[in-house]
Amino acid sequence: EAGVAQSPRYKIIEKRQSVAFWCNPISGHATLYWYQQILGQGPKLLIQFQNNGVVDDSQLPKDRFSAERLKGVDSTLKIQPAKLEDSAVYLCASSLAASGGGIGRRYFGPGTRLTVL
Amino acid sequence: QQPVQSPQAVILREGEDAVINCSSSKALYSVHWYRQKHGEAPVFLMILLKGGEQKGHEKISASFNEKKQQSSLYLTASQLSYSGTYFCGTEGDRIYGGSQGNLIFGKGTKLSVKP
Repeated sequence: EAGVAQSPRYKIIEKRQSVAFWCNPISGHATLYWYQQILGQGPKLLIQFQNNGVVDDSQLPKDRFSAERLKGVDSTLKIQPAKLEDSAVYLCASSLAASGGGIGRRYFGPGTRLTVL
Repeated sequence: QQPVQSPQAVILREGEDAVINCSSSKALYSVHWYRQKHGEAPVFLMILLKGGEQKGHEKISASFNEKKQQSSLYLTASQLSYSGTYFCGTEGDRIYGGSQGNLIFGKGTKLSVKP
């Protein structure tokens, strides 16, 4: 079974520039997550989708971050404009469980390492 | 509330045992454990549910004490391949006002196994 795919793997940008990340979850997984992982920390949830809809975006800095999940499959996460503190690894994950059930294991993609200069 | 993991780091020799703890200030419905090697994605180890039994995965097992709101991960006869950072993720119990369905990760415990 193919895993969660992400691209690009690495990205270096100047502050105030914009950047976009792409994620393709495991086929059939209804729930998709974007996490931000700062060096030395655990993953922090930015946004959770259930099919097309947003379940939780309470920790997404909406003034600069946006995300969408087209047709309930692929997803993109955008940062515009980027700040120095956005330097982190952005992990996409998917799971089978609906948000109400809440016990689905997360399958993580390889991540995108973002460096903001 | 982010769970607290201890210790922050541990160094072992091959064959030694280790225990990693994860505690929460809130009532929990489940605890997830993941291992992340440097530069790689976190990999699932196991989920422990409220009311469930201790679980095992080869020489790695875990327990979940609901009353104490904590979980422990046990690594026995450690191998070099066990090196990495271990994260617990906790899910709140909605019966007690927790946010069930949301997984909050701890800061991780870095495990280094030396030959």
